[in-house]
Amino acid sequence: NAGVMQNPRHLVRRRGQEARLRCSPMKGHSHVYWYRQLPEEGLKFMVYLQKENIIDESGMPKERFSAEFPKEGPSILRIQQVVRGDSAAYFCASSPDSSSSYNEQFFGPGTRLTVL
Amino acid sequence: SQQGEEDPQALSIQEGENATMNCSYKTSINNLQWYRQNSGRGLVHLILIRSNEREKHSGRLRVTLDTSKKSSSLLITASRAADTASYFCATEAAGNKLTFGGGTRVLVKP
Repeated sequence: NAGVMQNPRHLVRRRGQEARLRCSPMKGHSHVYWYRQLPEEGLKFMVYLQKENIIDESGMPKERFSAEFPKEGPSILRIQQVVRGDSAAYFCASSPDSSSSYNEQFFGPGTRLTVL
Repeated sequence: SQQGEEDPQALSIQEGENATMNCSYKTSINNLQWYRQNSGRGLVHLILIRSNEREKHSGRLRVTLDTSKKSSSLLITASRAADTASYFCATEAAGNKLTFGGGTRVLVKP
């Protein structure tokens, strides 16, 4: 059973370009979470999605950032018109179900975005 | 300060010694989880402790949770060089999202 997959692992963009980060959850998992990690800091929650629904986007910047988890295919985190401050590691996590009393999230290896 | 603050920020020990790190949080939680992150890599889930549990063990790891003090501790016994990593606590309240602390960077010297 493959773990959470993220691609690309490293992404370099120039200021003003768009960045697309992909996440394929573990098989059987229908919940996806995106987190951002700045150097030497902990992870910060960005958005929580289920198939075709955004459940909680309270951690997403109001502009330039969007996320989707379509019925088919991976979840996409999209950053438009990137700026240097967007440089960070972006981690995706998935979980099987939210109805249980605890929620173990399985993390992918991350995408390291560098904005030049 | 944010939910889930680790203490100390950095820890340097000799191989074979025990490593203890603490995590404090502010709001009520459903559970608290500890993760390890090796430099430049993803997170590895270590252990989850529910709000109605006080102590949990997994191999050389021991986690305690004191909900009255809103704090948790992670103890790594008989440390090894391979334990060198950053360790993060993460709390889960309602809504599934995890709130991470800033981490404790542990260096185990051979």
